[in-house]
Amino acid sequence: EAGVAQSPRYKIIEKRQSVAFWCNPISGHATLYWYQQILGQGPKLLIQFQNNGVVDDSQLPKDRFSAERLKGVDSTLKIQPAKLEDSAVYLCASSLNLAGPLQETQYFGPGTRLLVL
Amino acid sequence: DQQVKQNSPSLSVQEGRISILNCDYTNSMFDYFLWYKKYPAEGPTFLISISSIKDKNEDGRFTVFLNKSAKHLSLHIVPSQPGDSAVYFCAAYSSYKLIFGSGTRLLVRP
Repeated sequence: EAGVAQSPRYKIIEKRQSVAFWCNPISGHATLYWYQQILGQGPKLLIQFQNNGVVDDSQLPKDRFSAERLKGVDSTLKIQPAKLEDSAVYLCASSLNLAGPLQETQYFGPGTRLLVL
Repeated sequence: DQQVKQNSPSLSVQEGRISILNCDYTNSMFDYFLWYKKYPAEGPTFLISISSIKDKNEDGRFTVFLNKSAKHLSLHIVPSQPGDSAVYFCAAYSSYKLIFGSGTRLLVRP
């Protein structure tokens, strides 16, 4: 079974530039997550999709970050304009379903390491 | 406000010995806990979990203990192997949202 795919793996941009990350979840997984992991910290959830609908985006800085999941499969996360503090690893994860009391195991991609200069 | 805390940023143990990684949480409403392992340049991978109705869960060399009264959980790895060297994240579910600790870097010396 193929895992969660992400691209690019690395990106270096200057502040105020724009950047986009792509994620392809595990086939059949309805729920997709984007996390931000700053150096020395644990992953922090930015946005959570169930199919192509947003379940939770309470921690997404909406003035500069946006995300979409067209057709309920692939997803893109965009930052426009980027700030120095956006330097982090952006992780995409997916799980089979978001329902009921059983918490689903989340499977993570390798991440995109972003450096904003 | 860190709801899940891993106070030891690093741990070094000898191969064959026990590794004990600790995690504290503040929210008594958390009802499901997980440990993830992360190698460099890879995403976190699920290791083991425990429901709040249990106080222990075992999977091979890995055992997670939960002390609800102390709001504390720990991961025991016995025996430790060099391939276990990685960053370990404790995480808790809250309203279907995973909240991670800051991680503990484990080094298993041959």
